Amino acid sequence: NAGVMQNPRHLVRRRGQEARLRCSPMKGHSHVYWYRQLPEEGLKFMVYLQKENIIDESGMPKERFSAEFPKEGPSILRIQQVVRGDSAAYFCAGRDEAAGTGELFFGEGSRLTVL
Amino acid sequence: QQQVKQSPQSLIVQKGGISIINCAYENTAFDYFPWYQQFPGKGPALLIAIRPDVSEKKEGRFTISFNKSAKQFSLHIMDSQPGDSATYFCAASWGAQKLVFGQGTRLTINP
Repeated sequence: NAGVMQNPRHLVRRRGQEARLRCSPMKGHSHVYWYRQLPEEGLKFMVYLQKENIIDESGMPKERFSAEFPKEGPSILRIQQVVRGDSAAYFCAGRDEAAGTGELFFGEGSRLTVL
Repeated sequence: QQQVKQSPQSLIVQKGGISIINCAYENTAFDYFPWYQQFPGKGPALLIAIRPDVSEKKEGRFTISFNKSAKQFSLHIMDSQPGDSATYFCAASWGAQKLVFGQGTRLTINP
């Protein structure tokens, strides 16, 4: 997990507020994936991005959720008007396209609690 | 077709024993099958991975067995240790696209 930086590690929001989660993949990794993990459950794919492009957002709810990975800076997962059901751990992972192994390197996650 | 089904949900093994976790998939396009290990409060970390051109891969105490015709693969942990207690996820992907994860197995190794 070393090298993939996620912040904040813990975030508390009240219903209706916005949550912004940031992810900086390892140097040289231009592909980023976001996953959501509910307590005692597996990892559910949300979105796959390259720099400035969304490649696959099939796992992202159509409303309130958005993601970006700008040319400069971290990838951001944004959740608007949070509800209690958004409480989860959100993991970001990076991939080295050049290596071609398929391995994803995960961060330590951002744990969102919605009151 | 996108699912990967993992069992058991939880597993208790005595120290020194063999831990076995199984996964099954439907999508024959999958070409990469990793196992991830996750400790509480941490992110998943790659443990071992296999591609469908081989039937077995061993790294230390960890072995993946792969049965292409049955569309099943399993993780074997030999000489299981208390430090192996964690949640294990199998996963699958194709063409370097997204990983699809199993539901996870919580492994407890009793000393």
